[in-house]
Amino acid sequence: EPEVTQTPSHQVTQMGQEVILRCVPISNHLYFYWYRQILGQKVEFLVSFYNNEISEKSEIFDDQFSVERPDGSNFTLKIRSTKLEDSAMYFCASSEPMGTNTEAFFGQGTRLTVV
Amino acid sequence: LAKTTQPISMDSYEGQEVNITCSHNNIATNDYITWYQQFPSQGPRFIIQGYKTKVTNEVASLFIPADRKSSTLSLPRVSLSDTAVYYCLVGPNTGGFKTIFGAGTRLFVKA
Repeated sequence: EPEVTQTPSHQVTQMGQEVILRCVPISNHLYFYWYRQILGQKVEFLVSFYNNEISEKSEIFDDQFSVERPDGSNFTLKIRSTKLEDSAMYFCASSEPMGTNTEAFFGQGTRLTVV
Repeated sequence: LAKTTQPISMDSYEGQEVNITCSHNNIATNDYITWYQQFPSQGPRFIIQGYKTKVTNEVASLFIPADRKSSTLSLPRVSLSDTAVYYCLVGPNTGGFKTIFGAGTRLFVKA
């Protein structure tokens, strides 16, 4: 079964440092997403990406965040200057653009801990 | 985007059928209803999606009444491994839209 893979599984960083979270979406998918989930809270949408540009973003996705598809397979989320409150699980997902089933496939997540 | 309301938690026993109902009173004409399952420290996993009436797959059934203001996820004969959080989402059937996850329903399956 195809799957979305994320690396690293766990990252610890110091406050103020830049982090890049990496994702390899399913190969024939065209929409890519990042979500985050703070411990004990709900899954929050950050951004969606299609055709090399952002489709939608939430109010959480401010200037500290950026996304990129640097090559044909990777999709990255960069946090420029991490804050303590950025500590969360970050999930990447991908989906086909439309059809009878727009199931989004989620990766296993990267646990980001900002100290 | 349509807001969804689900019970915060439910308990069940192994072998029972579990029905989780979701309210979405302001669902739009082009909105679909999608259910996801999430285990601790894992990403959400798609269960089922539907637009109206009934949809069934190997995992669950989804019942949607004619007015589409609610939907019910039915899990037949649950096992301990079905203990998870279940999310009901409502949105257009196209990629890229801003997906809103609610708090979900925590299902506890007991032996």
